[in-house]
Amino acid sequence: EDQVTQSPEALRLQEGESSSLNCSYTVSGLRGLFWYRQDPGKGPEFLFTLYSAGEEKEKERLKATLTKKESFLHITAPKPEDSATYLCAATYNNNDMRFGAGTRLTVKP
Amino acid sequence: GAVVSQHPSRVICKSGTSVKIECRSLDFQATTMFWYRQFPKQSLMLMATSNEGSKATYEQGVEKDKFLINHASLTLSTLTVTSAHPEDSSFYICSARVAGETQYFGPGTRLLVL
Repeated sequence: EDQVTQSPEALRLQEGESSSLNCSYTVSGLRGLFWYRQDPGKGPEFLFTLYSAGEEKEKERLKATLTKKESFLHITAPKPEDSATYLCAATYNNNDMRFGAGTRLTVKP
Repeated sequence: GAVVSQHPSRVICKSGTSVKIECRSLDFQATTMFWYRQFPKQSLMLMATSNEGSKATYEQGVEKDKFLINHASLTLSTLTVTSAHPEDSSFYICSARVAGETQYFGPGTRLLVL
């Protein structure tokens, strides 16, 4: 079965302290790798789609990268409003989107 | 990005009653919509894939007679939880796929069955 694994499960940062979130995935048959942000009690908000190794995308303080076996979400100089759960998901040849368990990020002022 | 709405945002019902949740794509047509459920501090679990004009495809372990899905138009899919019980209490989220692979999610519906 296709697997998406995220680490760490939780991450606490001081404001301005840059870090990275990891997402490893089953390689065979990957069609796309996605990053979403989810705030408590809300649906996931789309951030990025990556399709091929070496691809990078940026949005404000966030940058997503993709290698042949994992993806990283880099957060540069985070602010408290970046606190949320970040979800990684992958689609495969069967078109299903499989989600990781998420990383709960807390940024302290 | 594409906008997906859900209604209601929150519902409380008595055990044994049925609850209908609507999912709409507001600014685009979606031939395929998805229904997920999410338990506290857990990730999204796909329940079913809803295709306009045809029967939904359910994931293994999801009872199709309990979770009725209707995708009657290109902008509306409905999920009906029939004879709801307390164990059906959860956060239900729909999504719609635009061109390509990206799914856009609705705000979710919190269901509490007493």
